[in-house]
This record gives sequence, structure tokens and C-alpha cells, in this order.
Amino acid sequence: AQSVTQLDSHVSVSEGTPVLLRCNYSSSYSPSLFWYVQHPNKGLQLLLKYTSAATLVKGINGFEAEFKKSETSFHLTKPSAHMSDAAEYFCVVSVGPTGNQFYFGTGTSLTVIP
Amino acid sequence: DTAVSQTPKYLVTQMGNDKSIKCEQNLGHDTMYWYKQDSKKFLKIMFSYNNKELIINETVPNRFSPKSPDKAHLNLHINSLELGDSAVYFCASSQRRGIGYTFGSGTRLTVV
Repeated sequence: AQSVTQLDSHVSVSEGTPVLLRCNYSSSYSPSLFWYVQHPNKGLQLLLKYTSAATLVKGINGFEAEFKKSETSFHLTKPSAHMSDAAEYFCVVSVGPTGNQFYFGTGTSLTVIP
Repeated sequence: DTAVSQTPKYLVTQMGNDKSIKCEQNLGHDTMYWYKQDSKKFLKIMFSYNNKELIINETVPNRFSPKSPDKAHLNLHINSLELGDSAVYFCASSQRRGIGYTFGSGTRLTVV
């Protein structure tokens, strides 16, 4: 069975402080993992993806995530939060023979305090 | 230029009506999807087509019927709309494993 668990439904940080959004997954196959961001009234945007290459993945806007197989985790981090980072973030696992089955976490709402 | 386009962007309709949402992608992707985002922001897959063939059909009322006339289009038809159908519906496409999605901007459906 495949699933994605985002451990925090809401995260609040001060501007300029680090961001950590947690994601754990379970998968019967070797997964591909993604983080997506959704700003209010916008569509989903891909932040970064892991596809069995380097375990530390760098994405857009200064975000990065580390794939840890032993912990089945794929946490999203950013060294310094910006006001524009306030959004909903989704962790996604892709599985299946063709990798075309995607499972979404329930999302983490990030608030950035000035 | 738009990679995945959905129409309409907003749709307000009365209970019991039948409506369609259209989706088109110009990326040459093989697979297209419909997701429903509920009021709590949780995204749930509804359907997936690969080269016009249905490959994922989650537990969705049979009032919802996807139609894929070609691999660049995946339309969603909904019969007898209910209040609980109110949500944002996202269309997406992908080429193959590891590439991830390209999403449309969503269709906000409100049933009154």
C-alpha cells in the first residue's frame, strides 16, 4: 500500500528563520517523491522532485529536501523563510509500474510572520 | 502558451444540473488526471487516463464521467450535481515516472 503522511497541518515561522515541513511515506515500490506548493487561488506548482538520484534535492525558491530511506522521510527545508513562502505545501509520492499513480499528503499550511 | 488549461475557471450552478469541465494539455504528455480539492485543501485523485485509456478510477460517484477524445484532452462531466460536489477540480498531465505533474489552474465549482 502507498501513502503519504504530512505530520503537521499548520506550521508558523518568523520571517528569516528556517522552515521545516515534514513528510513520511510508505511505498511497496521504489518511489519518486515530490513537493508541490499552492498559493491562494493558484494551481499547484512543482517545487522539487526526487527520482532515485542524489538524496539531497534542491528545488526552486531556495527549498530543498532530503530523501532518507531508512526513515522513509522526505522533509522539506529552507534556511530562511520569506513572506512570499506563505502557502499550502503538498508532499506527493509516485508509484506503480509506470510511475503514473500519484498519492498526495493532506497538505501543510505555512504561515510566515513578519 | 498555457501548458494545461481548464475551462471554465469558475462555475456556479444549481443542484440537479449537469455540467462539464474541459481540460486540454499541449505538452504531448501521455497521461492526464482529474483531482478534487475539498474545502480542507486535501487533494484526491478521481481519474487518470493514459493515451485515452482509463487507468485510475477511484471511488467516485458514477455521476462523474470522464471523457478523453484524444490524449491531449480529458473532460469531466458531472450529472445531477449535489451540494457536496462543490470544490476545486484540478486537471493535470504527466509524461512518465519521475517527471511529476503539470497542473491546470483549477475550476472552482459551486453548487447552490
